[in-house]
Amino acid sequence: NAGVTQTPKFQVLKTGQSMTLQCAQDMNHNSMYWYRQDPGMGLRLIYYSASEGTTDKGEVPNGYNVSRLNKREFSLRLESAAPSQTSVYFCASSEQEDYGYTFGSGTRLTVV
Amino acid sequence: QKEVEQNSGPLSVPEGAIASLNCTYSDRGSQSFFWYRQYSGKSPELIMFIYSNGDKEDGRFTAQLNKASQYVSLLIRDSQPSDSATYLCAHPENNFNKFYFGSGTKLNVKP
Repeated sequence: NAGVTQTPKFQVLKTGQSMTLQCAQDMNHNSMYWYRQDPGMGLRLIYYSASEGTTDKGEVPNGYNVSRLNKREFSLRLESAAPSQTSVYFCASSEQEDYGYTFGSGTRLTVV
Repeated sequence: QKEVEQNSGPLSVPEGAIASLNCTYSDRGSQSFFWYRQYSGKSPELIMFIYSNGDKEDGRFTAQLNKASQYVSLLIRDSQPSDSATYLCAHPENNFNKFYFGSGTKLNVKP
């Protein structure tokens, strides 16, 4: 049982480049989330998808787009990367929200 | 004001002692709280959650919720060096569509 799988684990981008972070879960969870984690800031929600076919903005959505491709997969796209997007990105899923999240292993992104 | 506040630490305790981690929150309507542990360079993992006032015990861990004072605590008994990590407190929005996380408290357990 792989849980939540994120790719890539590390990435370095130049300012203005684009990329997509991939996330897949094999637990048949309805809800999926993208967070970023910065030192001293904690985890901040970028976008979430409460169910297949729906997406909603979180606390810090600017500069990002998401796609809920199917029940398993939820991708995060940076259209034009900026140094302020240097962060660790976590994907998470939950079966029922009151049971908490299962997190992926994270993507460490550096924008130079 | 942040939804969830935690002292960033580090909190240092000797091996075998009780570590006490605290979290305060602003939403009086919050009904449930979750504690996550995050080792350096790793992703958060759920330790336990609590819904009602009082204590909830799970092995060496005890979560305490005081809704009147708007704080939640995590006690770790017989602390081990392997407990050294950052501990994140979180609570969901009322509709459970998203969670608010504290910035975490770093715990160091010294052998």
